[in-house]
Amino acid sequence: GAGVSQSPSNKVTEKGKDVELRCDPISGHTALYWYRQSLGQGLEFLIYFQGNSAPDKSGLPSDRFSAERTGGSVSTLTIQRTQQEDSAVYLCARGGETGNYGYTFGSGTRLTVV
Amino acid sequence: LAKTTQPISMDSYEGQEVNITCSHNNIATNDYITWYQQFPSQGPRFIIQGYKTKVTNEVASLFIPADRKSSTLSLPRVSLSDTAVYYCLVAMYSSASKIIFGSGTRLSIRP
Repeated sequence: GAGVSQSPSNKVTEKGKDVELRCDPISGHTALYWYRQSLGQGLEFLIYFQGNSAPDKSGLPSDRFSAERTGGSVSTLTIQRTQQEDSAVYLCARGGETGNYGYTFGSGTRLTVV
Repeated sequence: LAKTTQPISMDSYEGQEVNITCSHNNIATNDYITWYQQFPSQGPRFIIQGYKTKVTNEVASLFIPADRKSSTLSLPRVSLSDTAVYYCLVAMYSSASKIIFGSGTRLSIRP
């Protein structure tokens, strides 16, 4: 989607490798969200940021998953020792401010673990 | 967090009006109702948002009864390109918070 850039768009990695997924919300929105979507499934909430802090990390599937955000802008989602069940599309969204009608999503990163 | 319930799937034909209803019985006073559309291989896209009564834009209408325990997304004269998954979301937008998407409604439009 316009205004939220995610990279890479596609990533194929070997099982056991670490991967980093990047989200740039472009404009200075305070709130940033990460979701995961497996093939044919709905959106699974992972984590959200208010500024640089993440008040709720309960959605992260395991301790192999971590995320950070610096400068209130770009965020990185890191998956260590990837497993095949990590294969999914990882979506990032910005929004959540007063009067902001809805969230703007990026096009996602399709992660395939082989 | 207000939970939402929508039909899993719906079918319709080109040129018809489609209404998708979402139940949100425990909606909070400060919650807004938002609908998103998602095509394959794309992120969800904002369609419409409302708090109460009726909202209309160039894409759809949103009907919200007085008790706000449900909402109906109305798509006028659908086309094949409206085939997508539609998500109903209930959330407070005054600050960032954990936003949970439901399973969505898979709408299939036939010629």
